[in-house]
Amino acid sequence: EVQVLESGGGLVQPGGSLRLSCTASGFTFSNYAMSWVRQAPGKGLQWVSSISKSGGNTYFADSVKGRFTISRHNSNNALYLEMNNLRVDDTAVYYCTNGGGGQALDNWGQGTLVTVSS
Amino acid sequence: EIVLTQSPATLSLSPGERATLSCRASQSVGSYLAWYQQRPGQAPRLLISDASNRASGIPTRFSGRGSGTDFTLTISSLEPEDFAVYYCQQRNSWPLTFGGGTKVEIK
Repeated sequence: EVQVLESGGGLVQPGGSLRLSCTASGFTFSNYAMSWVRQAPGKGLQWVSSISKSGGNTYFADSVKGRFTISRHNSNNALYLEMNNLRVDDTAVYYCTNGGGGQALDNWGQGTLVTVSS
Repeated sequence: EIVLTQSPATLSLSPGERATLSCRASQSVGSYLAWYQQRPGQAPRLLISDASNRASGIPTRFSGRGSGTDFTLTISSLEPEDFAVYYCQQRNSWPLTFGGGTKVEIK
């Protein structure tokens, strides 16, 4: 059974930092690009970032470029999102999902809530 | 950036009726268009990839068609669990983009 589990969300002040983690099982992690997608309260889905299978290529939405970093450890089936200089409008549920430019976003975790507020 | 426009924003239908959802792209995305379902309080779920390929475990009442800039998701006969929000998404070029969603509600 495929499982994707995010962690690391919480309350942070504007300008602060947070690191999200995602662990996956039930599929060969290293065979898939991975992505983060977010959803602000009451809003639609917004793609945030993707990383290639090997980790050699990364992609970011303009709204987070220069502030967020995506990485992966294939040996641990783990995906990360390092978020710096957080803004109020980064408040959202962050979903981890396999897939990216090369395929649809197939398996989604339940999400982790990030709240940026003073 | 490719903009995806979904219509209508809300679709009010009864169980058993047919639902037709539209997604229009601002430029061609080929067949690299997916559809997702999101029920209240749940994560999105992949329904259709590459315009017309049903994902694993998705009932046959869901079908997708289209290419280029115009795409359609059809639910042939609505079941109670199908009342949800549906999003289209393109992977033809970066950045990946989603449409604004269509809410299918009970009439």
